[in-house]
Amino acid sequence: EDQVTQSPEALRLQEGESSSLNCSYTVSGLRGLFWYRQDPGKGPEFLFTLYSAGEEKEKERLKATLTKKESFLHITAPKPEDSATYLCAVQAATDSWGKLQFGAGTQVVVTP
Amino acid sequence: NAGVTQTPKFQVLKTGQSMTLQCAQDMNHNSMYWYRQDPGMGLRLIYYSASEGTTDKGEVPNGYNVSRLNKREFSLRLESAAPSQTSVYFCATWDRSLGANVLTFGAGSRLTVL
Repeated sequence: EDQVTQSPEALRLQEGESSSLNCSYTVSGLRGLFWYRQDPGKGPEFLFTLYSAGEEKEKERLKATLTKKESFLHITAPKPEDSATYLCAVQAATDSWGKLQFGAGTQVVVTP
Repeated sequence: NAGVTQTPKFQVLKTGQSMTLQCAQDMNHNSMYWYRQDPGMGLRLIYYSASEGTTDKGEVPNGYNVSRLNKREFSLRLESAAPSQTSVYFCATWDRSLGANVLTFGAGSRLTVL
């Protein structure tokens, strides 16, 4: 059974204090790994898709990396506006219809 | 360009009542989905529609029905609501065009069943 585990559950950072979020996954062949950002009371907002081990993608202060068993979301010099819940999801190689398996998320709070 | 629009945003029901959550998209995507989100459990797929005229069960379909009314609209119905269905419901569409592969979500519908 496909499984996605995110750690830590919550993370409190000072502004400028870099850190990393972890997403461990087990899936019978990976078609894609997705990162989303979710603000309170809103729907998840797409950040990145990673397809193969060794791939990296960046957007402003966020950088996502992928290995065969896990993905990391690195937040460099975070600002208060980076406060959100970050969700990781995987799509199995056998799926053609966008059925993603999501982790429970990491809630990030960045204080000034 | 509204993207994915869900109505209502909030709803309170009594146990046993029925209701329908509506979802409409203006992105011309073929595939649409209903997820529920509960604290500590992540998003779980209820039903999906790969294309107009088709629907399939996801991970947690019990207690729900869906209708793909046309390419734009995908509704989720609770026939007899139960407290266990208290959750936030998200509709999403899937862009499978070349180089995309993105699931786009609506803003959510918060349902409380008393």
